[in-house]
Amino acid sequence: ETGVTQTPRHLVMGMTNKKSLKCEQHLGHNAMYWYKQSAKKPLELMFVYSLEERVENNSVPSRFSPECPNSSHLFLHLHTLQPEDSALYLCASIDSKNIQYFGAGTRLSVL
Amino acid sequence: LAKTTQPISMDSYEGQEVNITCSHNNIATNDYITWYQQFPSQGPRFIIQGYKTKVTNEVASLFIPADRKSSTLSLPRVSLSDTAVYYCLVVGGNTGKLIFGQGTTLQVKP
Repeated sequence: ETGVTQTPRHLVMGMTNKKSLKCEQHLGHNAMYWYKQSAKKPLELMFVYSLEERVENNSVPSRFSPECPNSSHLFLHLHTLQPEDSALYLCASIDSKNIQYFGAGTRLSVL
Repeated sequence: LAKTTQPISMDSYEGQEVNITCSHNNIATNDYITWYQQFPSQGPRFIIQGYKTKVTNEVASLFIPADRKSSTLSLPRVSLSDTAVYYCLVVGGNTGKLIFGQGTTLQVKP
């Protein structure tokens, strides 16, 4: 148990659906990240939030829309996704020593 | 951020000590070396972090030579449950940003 909770653990959606991924941490950290991990590929950093402000967006398509309403919660809103967006989406919370605590991830399948 | 190079895969047997070496020739003065472990369909888990010399915790040891251009993760007496992907990363001291590579897939056999 890392202290970072992601829901749902699994999600199947059609290309026209709208869904949201949720990440929650109560570790007192001020920075949270979204990563994407496709099959047999390294983790790709998507978004970086620090003190609820987005500080980095690594050229992620607009069909992915992050939201950070407070330092404990991070969302990833999904709409009009493509089959190639199927992947494991991971959230991480970062402490003052820059150690990242990852959630278990959401396994997303886009049909 | 310094690029890291580590073996793609390694095999070992239960009870053996496993050493995974990582090279990071362009490491900067403020950078730390950090290792993570990842099981299938789970998020990576922090193992150990160090700046120089030797660091040991209840899970592993990390050896860093004086020039800091490489590091070695040492796992004592591995078990089947240590089968996982191990990532070596250089963490920017100022930013904390991580760049994950392919990692080393460790297969522990009975």
